[in-house]
Amino acid sequence: GEDVEQSLFLSVREGDSSVINCTYTDSSSTYLYWYKQEPGAGLQLLTYIFSNMDMKQDQRLTVLLNKKDKHLSLRIADTQTGDSAIYFCAESMGDYKLSFGAGTTVTVRA
Amino acid sequence: DAMVIQNPRYQVTQFGKPVTLSCSQTLNHNVMYWYQQKSSQAPKLLFHYYDKDFNNEADTPDNFQSRRPNTSFCFLDIRSPGLGDAAMYLCATSRDQRDTQYFGPGTRLTVL
Repeated sequence: GEDVEQSLFLSVREGDSSVINCTYTDSSSTYLYWYKQEPGAGLQLLTYIFSNMDMKQDQRLTVLLNKKDKHLSLRIADTQTGDSAIYFCAESMGDYKLSFGAGTTVTVRA
Repeated sequence: DAMVIQNPRYQVTQFGKPVTLSCSQTLNHNVMYWYQQKSSQAPKLLFHYYDKDFNNEADTPDNFQSRRPNTSFCFLDIRSPGLGDAAMYLCATSRDQRDTQYFGPGTRLTVL
């Protein structure tokens, strides 16, 4: 995961928006992914964005991609307690490999 | 409607005692992957199968082996588990090597 960087922790109040940031280094990335991992569980695919897109919205989730700065963000609107989890950013170079960030632990407080 | 299934969800083994973890998929995907995830770390790819072709990552220890007897099933064999092999093992599948990977719920391995 050394090519993908994320902040490690985020604390947010229930009902507020969460923004999780990620930077990557490989400009040839084709797809960028966000996965969610709840305690003791596997990785759940949340959303992904193709590298020729700037934004993707899916219900409460908004992904923004700034290719120039190699910056990806995930915004969760109206954050709920069920959103507490670890969120992994991952980039695909177009082959089988995914390069993961270290994960951001999101804690939602009442 | 589980698409990637891993059994068992929790496995306890003794130091040096071989163990096998199982993964099955209902997606008919060509590619199956095995990842190791240690506490507070990102998943680390061990190897993957593209159809019947096995692809080992360069830094995967020889202690880890895999079998894929058919499209639906893939096994992870740990020949002589050490304490350092205690981790979550994640199976994933994708339609092709460039496609989105879908993960199973994982098997938590404890080595005593």
